[in-house]
Amino acid sequence: AQTVTQSQPEMSVQEAETVTLSCTYDTSESDYYLFWYKQPPSRQMILVIRQEAYKQQNATENRFSVNFQKAAKSFSLKISDSQLGDAAMYFCAYRTYFGNEKLTFGTGTRLTIIP
Amino acid sequence: GAVVSQHPSRVICKSGTSVKIECRSLDFQATTMFWYRQFPKQSLMLMATSNEGSKATYEQGVEKDKFLINHASLTLSTLTVTSAHPEDSSFYICSAWIRDSRETQYFGPGTRLLVL
Repeated sequence: AQTVTQSQPEMSVQEAETVTLSCTYDTSESDYYLFWYKQPPSRQMILVIRQEAYKQQNATENRFSVNFQKAAKSFSLKISDSQLGDAAMYFCAYRTYFGNEKLTFGTGTRLTIIP
Repeated sequence: GAVVSQHPSRVICKSGTSVKIECRSLDFQATTMFWYRQFPKQSLMLMATSNEGSKATYEQGVEKDKFLINHASLTLSTLTVTSAHPEDSSFYICSAWIRDSRETQYFGPGTRLLVL
């Protein structure tokens, strides 16, 4: 079974600075998807970024980018130019490539933005 | 993007009563919907996978007789918490799967259940 680990329960960053959230996972599969979700105080889950394991290029979405290290099974999220609206819980998630659309979530990292 | 709604957004009920939570995909048809439970400051825990027209698949440790799931149409899945008790108080989130470029689930806004 796949597992997803987020070793940082809480992180904080000064507004406009850069922060990196860590995520590691364990799987025996070679093809899969990885995601970062944001859950703000409203509790609505919002997809931040997606990475396909077969792609070597790291995904980027505006201020959000990932560092995907397949051999190390590491998938970190970098948030540049942090904004107050980035304050939220961030969950790393894994999905197998074929068939089953179930997501396996990590335990989450609470990100605080310091004005 | 695809929108998933949940109703009600919050509900308070007395112990022993049953509560129904609806999950609707508003602008797409979802063959697969998921139900999660989230305790304060914790991650999402998958309760069951719901496929239209068939019985839900429950995760290990989830009581299927207590958490009844019905997926009668391609746009509606319901979760009924039967004979609710205070320990069932939690945040319940549904999501819907559609095969598009995102390759992931669309989440509803969640339902906060408080059992007195």
